[in-house]
Amino acid sequence: AQSVAQPEDQVNVAEGNPLTVKCTYSVSGNPYLFWYVQYPNRGLQFLLKYITGDNLVKGSYGFEAEFNKSQTSFHLKKPSALVSDSALYFCAVRDPYDYGGSQGNLIFGKGTKLSVKP
Amino acid sequence: EAQVTQNPRYLITVTGKKLTVTCSQNMNHEYMSWYRQDPGLGLRQIYYSMNVEVTDKGDVPEGYKVSRKEKRNFPLILESPSPNQTSLYFCASAWTGVYGQPQHFGDGTRLSIL
Repeated sequence: AQSVAQPEDQVNVAEGNPLTVKCTYSVSGNPYLFWYVQYPNRGLQFLLKYITGDNLVKGSYGFEAEFNKSQTSFHLKKPSALVSDSALYFCAVRDPYDYGGSQGNLIFGKGTKLSVKP
Repeated sequence: EAQVTQNPRYLITVTGKKLTVTCSQNMNHEYMSWYRQDPGLGLRQIYYSMNVEVTDKGDVPEGYKVSRKEKRNFPLILESPSPNQTSLYFCASAWTGVYGQPQHFGDGTRLSIL
């Protein structure tokens, strides 16, 4: 069965410092991986995805994520955090070989609240 | 502007009074889905639809109904709402022409069932 784990409920960083939000996954095949961000009173917004190719994926707002197959991880990173990055971040996974489910379905982690202090 | 629109954004109602949350997308997406978001549980899928007249259960379908009569609309129906359905609800859509397309989300509907 597919699953996603975000081991930290909250991550606190100081503005200007690098940030990492962790995500590990479990799928039977090669995964499709996604990061979404949720700002207060808004829906989830797509940040970036890994489908195939280069393990380092760049996305919106200066975020990037590194796919590590051996560690089954897809951690979200940013070199220099901004106060405006404070939000709830969700990792999601899709097993492309899961023919039992919908091609569009994603499994979401429980979310990590990122707090960036000035 | 490409968007997923949910209405209402906020609703307080009472147990047993039928309600419908509408969802509409203007991107001609085949795939649409409903989620509920609860603290500590993340997003859980309620129902999804691969195309018009094609719907299927997600992980937590009990107490909910959906319909997909038109491609752009995917309403969520609570026939007899109960307090345990108090939650934040999101509708999403995606293009399925190519694998791995991201989902687009509405801004959410906060339901309180008293």
